[in-house]
Amino acid sequence: GPKVLQIPSHQIIDMGQMVTLNCDPVSNHLYFYWYKQILGQQMEFLVNFYNGKVMEKSKLFKDQFSVERPDGSYFTLKIQPTALEDSAVYFCASSLDWGEDTQYFGPGTRLLVL
Amino acid sequence: QQQVRQSPQSLTVWEGETAILNCSYEDSTFNYFPWYQQFPGEGPALLISIRSVSDKKEDGRFTIFFNKREKKLSLHITDSQPGDSATYFCAASVRNNAGAKLTFGGGTRLTVRP
Repeated sequence: GPKVLQIPSHQIIDMGQMVTLNCDPVSNHLYFYWYKQILGQQMEFLVNFYNGKVMEKSKLFKDQFSVERPDGSYFTLKIQPTALEDSAVYFCASSLDWGEDTQYFGPGTRLLVL
Repeated sequence: QQQVRQSPQSLTVWEGETAILNCSYEDSTFNYFPWYQQFPGEGPALLISIRSVSDKKEDGRFTIFFNKREKKLSLHITDSQPGDSATYFCAASVRNNAGAKLTFGGGTRLTVRP
């Protein structure tokens, strides 16, 4: 099936540093999502993005978070500055259309903030 | 308050048996319910989904039973195989113009013993 890639697979950084998580979505998809999963907890929606804009975000999407997809390249999640509670697995997903609800997920980026 | 709940947290069945995974939800506006299968180190992959206008959806050995009145659904895996051993997530969403953000349950870890 369609593949979503995420780079890097693992990232360890010191608290206060900036981190950028990269997602290479399915090529013809138009909607992009980030989800966060803390170890042992359920996956939670962070944000979705369409046509260069954030469409909806959850309360987990703090002011330190930002997303963008410059020139159709990677869809990125930037955290600046990072905090200890940002340690989690971050999953990127993409879908073809809002009416097409199938979201295809990447393998996740495991972020550890020390 | 968790919007989507799953039970049991873990389930072990023998090869050839039927595994039954349960899910319940709070928000009556949810109208789309995908089940995702996740293997260790991978992202969730869509297994089967159902819309709230239906009460049953079948795909091979996988069947969703949906009870809108009780806000419950279940995933039945017949003739379980060791390769079905994975974590299964029930999710829910409301289709709207902002894109279908998914609300996930906590997952059921299924082990199928040969």
